[in-house]
Amino acid sequence: KQEVTQIPAALSVPEGENLVLNCSFTDSAIYNLQWFRQDPGKGLTSLLLIQSSQREQTSGRLNASLDKSSGRSTLYIAASQPGDSATYLCAVRRGGNEKLTFGTGTRLTIIP
Amino acid sequence: KAGVTQTPRYLIKTRGQQVTLSCSPISGHRSVSWYQQTPGQGLQFLFEYFSETQRNKGNFPGRFSGRQFSNSRSEMNVSTLELGDSALYLCASSYQGTDTQYFGPGTRLTVL
Repeated sequence: KQEVTQIPAALSVPEGENLVLNCSFTDSAIYNLQWFRQDPGKGLTSLLLIQSSQREQTSGRLNASLDKSSGRSTLYIAASQPGDSATYLCAVRRGGNEKLTFGTGTRLTIIP
Repeated sequence: KAGVTQTPRYLIKTRGQQVTLSCSPISGHRSVSWYQQTPGQGLQFLFEYFSETQRNKGNFPGRFSGRQFSNSRSEMNVSTLELGDSALYLCASSYQGTDTQYFGPGTRLTVL
């Protein structure tokens, strides 16, 4: 059974700093991994999707990496802004016809 | 392109009643997945429909059911509501099911 862990559960950093969010998964045989953000009381917004054959994906100030052998993915946010404050979730798909398994998320607060 | 829409956005029901939630995917998307989100359990997968067929099912009791119509719109039904069914119900659509998931804003269900 795939288990996905995100540590820490909460993180506060001053505006302008670069930061890294972590995602660990127990079964390295994954199909793809996706990062989302969720604002309070809202739905999820897709940030980046990494296929199992890829090592990283970039979108603007965001960079996600994937290391299947160690069961880890990181989301790097450059030059953080108050608008980046949200809960960040990673989700892993083990096989092409299998469900997404979500981590519990990291609540990020950017301090102006 | 319009995003994923969910109706209603808020619902209040009493124990024992039943409820039907609706999800309209992004135009052209054939896959619709449903999730339950609670503070204690996080995001839990309910089921996925692809071209009107249930392709995956999570570990929820039979009181939770769903269907998908020929226009890809999906409904989920919860019968005999329990207090523990209070949650944010999210649906997500994608073209193939394994690619980027786009989430709707959710339906907040409160069971009294």
